[in-house]
Amino acid sequence: GQQLNQSPQSMFIQEGEDVSMNCTSSSIFNTWLWYKQDPGEGPVLLIALYKAGELTSNGRLTAQFGITRKDSFLNISASIPSDVGIYFCAGQSGNNRKLIWGLGTSLAVNP
Amino acid sequence: GAGVSQSPRYKVTKRGQDVALRCDPISGHVSLYWYRQALGQGPEFLTYFNYEAQQDKSGLPNDRFSAERPEGSISTLTIQRTEQRDSAMYRCASSLTSGEASRFFGPGTRLTVL
Repeated sequence: GQQLNQSPQSMFIQEGEDVSMNCTSSSIFNTWLWYKQDPGEGPVLLIALYKAGELTSNGRLTAQFGITRKDSFLNISASIPSDVGIYFCAGQSGNNRKLIWGLGTSLAVNP
Repeated sequence: GAGVSQSPRYKVTKRGQDVALRCDPISGHVSLYWYRQALGQGPEFLTYFNYEAQQDKSGLPNDRFSAERPEGSISTLTIQRTEQRDSAMYRCASSLTSGEASRFFGPGTRLTVL
């Protein structure tokens, strides 16, 4: 099925560094979502974005809904070891609830 | 229950057998979603329900896959005549309202078809 372009595919950073990842689509979305998945667990919703240009924070996480409605980014500031995991973006268009997902960004944090 | 539960957690079956995967959403949640996630991939939408009504089944790979939610609570995803390519993690998610994104995911059922 259709999947979004998410980059980078993986990141290995030092504790305390900031992280940025993004997601792009060939089609317009009206909702962008960011999830984190730990090994063996289901995805956990981090941030939901519903409006073009919207910038939303959740603690050290900040996400933005691109103005073109075809992209979104997620920033993590001052990373800590528990930030390790796979981060997925997901988008939704129209009125249906079908989510299109990215392939994930795997984050490793060196303490 | 406190969260979304799924059963069984692991299912190993032989090719050609039928399997039924169960999802028990958070009590009172209107929307229920089924996803399939292959190793190293993001989840892939299969189908979703609002109450007992199946709203979108466009993600079901073929007619061997079906899902139901007859009383608007527990849902069953059935795969008939399983094939090896059906092996994956099958995840269920629920949301309190129909306007909300997939928020609460279950632990998944790992299906292996030999």
